[in-house]
Amino acid sequence: TQLLEQSPQFLSIQEGENLTVYCNSSSVFSSLQWYRQEPGEGPVLLVTVVTGGEVKKLKRLTFQFGDARKDSSLHITAAQPGDTGLYLCAVAGGTSYGKLTFGQGTILTVHP
Amino acid sequence: DAGVIQSPRHEVTEMGQEVTLRCKPISGHDYLFWYRQTMMRGLELLIYFNNNVPIDDSGMPEDRFSAKMPNASFSTLKIQPSEPRDSAVYFCASRRNSKGNYGYTFGSGTRLTVV
Repeated sequence: TQLLEQSPQFLSIQEGENLTVYCNSSSVFSSLQWYRQEPGEGPVLLVTVVTGGEVKKLKRLTFQFGDARKDSSLHITAAQPGDTGLYLCAVAGGTSYGKLTFGQGTILTVHP
Repeated sequence: DAGVIQSPRHEVTEMGQEVTLRCKPISGHDYLFWYRQTMMRGLELLIYFNNNVPIDDSGMPEDRFSAKMPNASFSTLKIQPSEPRDSAVYFCASRRNSKGNYGYTFGSGTRLTVV
């Protein structure tokens, strides 16, 4: 059983469409992060959310942390081909301070 | 800031050979992490260091894998002997010791192919 379940696994859309990807767990977390990974590169941190119900915006990206701090969503408005990539959520937890566990990710493809 | 630097970018080796992957973390970052990424298993933490000391190596698959961090600016991950199932992209990441903010900076990875 995965600590973090991301959905959908794959998403293929046309430029200009909106989309939402989800990161769910049965555990409660003090914080959650979203990363984007492009082919041939390492993941790049997009945002960290720490407060239940928190909403953060990064240009066309909106991140929300669930009220109970068990889940999160990433919404992209008017997707562009440059948004194509693997989106990963990650949480710190367990007995090892600062150790991040990643979800399996959502592969997003935005067609021109 | 040059970021986290990994070498080589690509490595193709024959089964049974020794492989050494290298990482230079960002200066001033206290934590260094080694991850492995495959399609089947995603990103898996292998081992991490704090101030050059290994803290958690529970993710290291078996004794064939070893990691060292002789100083704050250099770490290696060694596989000896290598096997085809070790084929994956290996990432190094580092972060500052900042409470509550666990943001990692990843390198570009080493794509390892064992034939």
